[in-house]
Formats: sequence, structure tokens, C-alpha cells
Amino acid sequence: EAQVTQNPRYLITVTGKKLTVTCSQNMNHEYMSWYRQDPGLGLRQIYYSMNVEVTDKGDVPEGYKVSRKEKRNFPLILESPSPNQTSLYFCASSSPGRGQPQHFGDGTRLSIL
Amino acid sequence: QQQVKQSPQSLIVQKGGISIINCAYENTAFDYFPWYQQFPGKGPALLIAIRPDVSEKKEGRFTISFNKSAKQFSLHIMDSQPGDSATYFCAASVRGTYKYIFGTGTRLKVLA
Repeated sequence: EAQVTQNPRYLITVTGKKLTVTCSQNMNHEYMSWYRQDPGLGLRQIYYSMNVEVTDKGDVPEGYKVSRKEKRNFPLILESPSPNQTSLYFCASSSPGRGQPQHFGDGTRLSIL
Repeated sequence: QQQVKQSPQSLIVQKGGISIINCAYENTAFDYFPWYQQFPGKGPALLIAIRPDVSEKKEGRFTISFNKSAKQFSLHIMDSQPGDSATYFCAASVRGTYKYIFGTGTRLKVLA
């Protein structure tokens, strides 16, 4: 089954404790992206990657890092999480070409105390 | 200006009615406008998309109307069904990039 898998689905942690949210896709997609969803703000793009070793900033990259060492994986790293990063996070992937639909994972709910 | 302004925030429609969600933008560098549908506990899924060289696109009960001069686009759901109850997001992509700007979302409830 074609899918984008995020782990963990839920996480409660404390300020300053480094964490990584993993994202893996099995569709051989070149493009991957991370978003955060907050009430009243919709989805905001954090980072995106057009291919292995190629990443670029979205609208809200501050406080986040990403890496794309393999085509299928695109982890999101919070080096020193803060409470304002409490949010619902989505990973997405798509084939190349800007008209291609993005396939989203089911989300990771992060709570940072 | 990178924003995409979406309205209304919430919408209640009777079964069989027409649901209309509107979006407006300022940045003329946007050149691809998708709509996404999201059910509770799930990620968004592409519903329909349009490019600015087309004024209307229809797929089944879903239609996008695009007004390039007014920098506005809208989603029309004809014959709305309770199964259409979801949150809808408009989005815009900057020309030449994979950068996406999403609207704030519209929660649609279709009453049976």
C-alpha cells in the first residue's frame, strides 16, 4: 500500500530535549515536505526537499532542522524544542512536477511542556 | 505578500445544497492553486487543482472557479453530502518552486 508513515504519532516531551520525528514514504517520490498545523493558522510549510541532499526553507523554518540522506526518508529534527513548537505535524511526498498531488501522512501530535 | 486568505472559517449546509469556499491572494508569483480535503485524524488529501490560465475546472461535484484579475478562487461543492463534512484548505504554490502557502481552512458540516 502506497503510504507516508510518520513516527511517533503522539509525543509529550519537555523543553530543550532534542527530538526527531521520522517520515518515510514507499512511493519512490523525489519531493518531500514538512508542515505544521495550528488552529486558525492552517498548514504552514516548514521545510521541503526536491531530492536527496537538496532541501529548502518553507515559511516557518526557525527552530527546525531536516536532512535528506535517502530518497525515502525525511526526518524533522527539533534540536531544542520549545512550547511554541507544540503542534500537529504532517509529512508529505509527491512525484516531481508541481502539478503532482502531495500525499500526506496521518500526522504527529507534539506537546512540548 | 505571501498570504492566502480563506473564508468562511466554518460553513453549515443542508444535504443537497451548494457549499462555497473562497480564497484570495496578493502574490502574482503564485501559479498553481490546489484544494485539499482533510478528515479528522487524517492528513489532507488533494481534491482538485487549477492553474491561472484556466477560469474553471470541474471534477464530479467539485468545481474551482478562478478569477485572475481579482486574484480570487473558490471551491464549489454541488449536491453537498454528509460525507463531504471535513475541513477544506486552499493553497497556492510559488512559480518555479515547491513552496506552498495554505489558507487557514474551512470546516464544512453538511446536515443530513
